[in-house]
Amino acid sequence: QQQVKQSPQSLIVQKGGISIINCAYENTAFDYFPWYQQFPGKGPALLIAIRPDVSEKKEGRFTISFNKSAKQFSLHIMDSQPGDSATYFCAASKDNFNKFYFGSGTKLNVKP
Amino acid sequence: DAGITQSPRHKVTETGTPVTLRCHQTENHRYMYWYRQDPGHGLRLIHYSYGVKDTDKGEVSDGYSVSRSKTEDFLLTLESATSSQTSVYFCAISREPNQPQHFGDGTRLSIL
Repeated sequence: QQQVKQSPQSLIVQKGGISIINCAYENTAFDYFPWYQQFPGKGPALLIAIRPDVSEKKEGRFTISFNKSAKQFSLHIMDSQPGDSATYFCAASKDNFNKFYFGSGTKLNVKP
Repeated sequence: DAGITQSPRHKVTETGTPVTLRCHQTENHRYMYWYRQDPGHGLRLIHYSYGVKDTDKGEVSDGYSVSRSKTEDFLLTLESATSSQTSVYFCAISREPNQPQHFGDGTRLSIL
């Protein structure tokens, strides 16, 4: 059973537009939700993360929105740029637990 | 970038042969992880280590073994490689559980 479900699988956005990637989880014990960005030939790199005590976290053009009751969280990329073209993964884990569960990834292509 | 080196970066081998992948870190982090990345599946945890000689299974551990004889090195072994183990393998490290994981650049393994 997939612990974290991510959508869409791929996304095409025009430069300057907003990219939105969604994730849903099942385990209500999860309390840490990071997003990773991966470029071809590289490992995933932490982009931004949130804990469920807040509903939103913003870092520059990247925002995580968190809906605890719906067990959903999403990544918003404002003013998307061609350099944002990459694969994005959401993940979830719980405190004092060594395992992260990753979504299946979203390949973002920002058109110039 | 976190000091994580994976070797080899690419390997092609035949079914039935043993294969060992190495992850070396210079960050002195306690926790180390091995993931595999396959299209449509995101990253799936194979094994992890929470200290020297302390390891545990992840969600896709069958056919894999690990060893950690010193803090900086975490080895992943495929005792008898099968074609289903063709994948990209990533090592990750973290200082504590439920904290950001930092990834290496991966090993692309092809089993013919």
